[in-house]
Amino acid sequence: SQTIHQWPATLVQPVGSPLSLECTVEGTSNPNLYWYRQAAGRGLQLLFYSVGIGQISSEVPQNLSASRPQDRQFILSSKKLLLSDSGFYLCAWSGLAGGRETQYFGPGTRLLVL
Amino acid sequence: KQEVTQIPAALSVPEGENLVLNCSFTDSAIYNLQWFRQDPGKGLTSLLLIQSSQREQTSGRLNASLDKSSGRSTLYIAASQPGDSATYLCAVGTTSYGKLTFGQGTILTVHP
Repeated sequence: SQTIHQWPATLVQPVGSPLSLECTVEGTSNPNLYWYRQAAGRGLQLLFYSVGIGQISSEVPQNLSASRPQDRQFILSSKKLLLSDSGFYLCAWSGLAGGRETQYFGPGTRLLVL
Repeated sequence: KQEVTQIPAALSVPEGENLVLNCSFTDSAIYNLQWFRQDPGKGLTSLLLIQSSQREQTSGRLNASLDKSSGRSTLYIAASQPGDSATYLCAVGTTSYGKLTFGQGTILTVHP
C-alpha cells in the first residue's frame, strides 16, 4: 500500500533562517506531487506541483522553492524565512483509486516563524 | 480564476441528525470535485471523488452530489455521530494534473 511521510512534524524557526521540509512517498512510482500551505484562518493554497523528477511548477510567487531530486521525494525550501511563512504545510500525491484520480495527503508539518 | 466557497463556515448539530454541507465554485469547467475530512492538526483524508461526468457518489453514510452547470456540490451526512466532528473541505480539480482549488471548509461539531 502507498504511504506518504513528512518531517519534521513541528518546526519553530527564527526569521531569516533557512528551511527544508521533506516529503517522501512509498508504494507508488512516478506520482504527481504537491505542496500546499494552510495558514491560520485561511484555506489550503497550492504552492508547487511536480509531474516528474526535476519538474516543478510554482502556483504563487513567494519566498519558497521546491525541488524533486528523486521520483518519490519532494522538498520545500527557503533561504530566509519570513513571518508570513508560518503555517501548516501539507504534501500530497495523486494517483488512481478505483480508476479515478484522487489525492492523498501526508500528516503535515506545522511551521512557526518567530 | 476558480474560487470555491463553502457554507456554512461552522455547524453544530445533535447526534443522529442528517445534515448537508454546501460547496459552490465559480468556473464550471472542472475535471473533478473531491470532499475531504481534516481532523485538528492532521492531514486530509479523501472522502468522495466525483468526476465531472458524474452526478453523485456514495460511501456509507456519506453522499456527495455535483451540479456542474450551477457550480454546486453538496455533501450529505446521514445519522451524524460525534466521530464525524471535523473540518470538511471541498476541492475542485481543474486539470488532469490533479491540481485542486480548496474552499475554506466547514467546521462540523456533532454533540452527544
